[in-house]
Amino acid sequence: KAGVTQTPRYLIKTRGQQVTLSCSPISGHRSVSWYQQTPGQGLQFLFEYFSETQRNKGNFPGRFSGRQFSNSRSEMNVSTLELGDSALYLCASSFQGTDNEQFFGPGTRLTVL
Amino acid sequence: DQQVKQNSPSLSVQEGRISILNCDYTNSMFDYFLWYKKYPAEGPTFLISISSIKDKNEDGRFTVFLNKSAKHLSLHIVPSQPGDSAVYFCAASATSGTYKYIFGTGTRLKVLA
Repeated sequence: KAGVTQTPRYLIKTRGQQVTLSCSPISGHRSVSWYQQTPGQGLQFLFEYFSETQRNKGNFPGRFSGRQFSNSRSEMNVSTLELGDSALYLCASSFQGTDNEQFFGPGTRLTVL
Repeated sequence: DQQVKQNSPSLSVQEGRISILNCDYTNSMFDYFLWYKKYPAEGPTFLISISSIKDKNEDGRFTVFLNKSAKHLSLHIVPSQPGDSAVYFCAASATSGTYKYIFGTGTRLKVLA
């Protein structure tokens, strides 16, 4: 079974721009969660999608949004980029979200200049 | 408010000795705990988990201990190997609630040969 894939792996943007990141979960997994990893902050939960609906949301501003498609693929969008948005963005999938193991993708490294 | 805390950002251990990584949590609703290992340029991989109905779970060289009264869990690696050098994250969730995982900030383990 193929693992979780994320594209692109690396991205450089400038302040004020917007960016869209993509995540393809493991086949059959319906839950996709997004995390932001920055040094000293660990993994901070952004949101979780299940069956095309946002089921959970972390404490991030509205500039961070996401969606999930019928094939469970998910996209995350960040608008009006700020320098502080530079981070590793990780996507994780699980079968239902209620099961207790998430499988992570390799992440997208976003640099905002 | 950091609900899951890993107070040691780094730890160095000699090969063959025991590595003990600690994690504290504040939310008494958490009832499932996980440890993830992360190598550079890769997403976190699931290592071991424990439900709040247990106080110990063992998987090969890895054992997780849970002390609910102290809201503390620890990961023991015995014997430590150079390949164990990675960043370790603990995570907690309230499975009856929002299926949201809260991660700690991570501990970088270095196993010296």
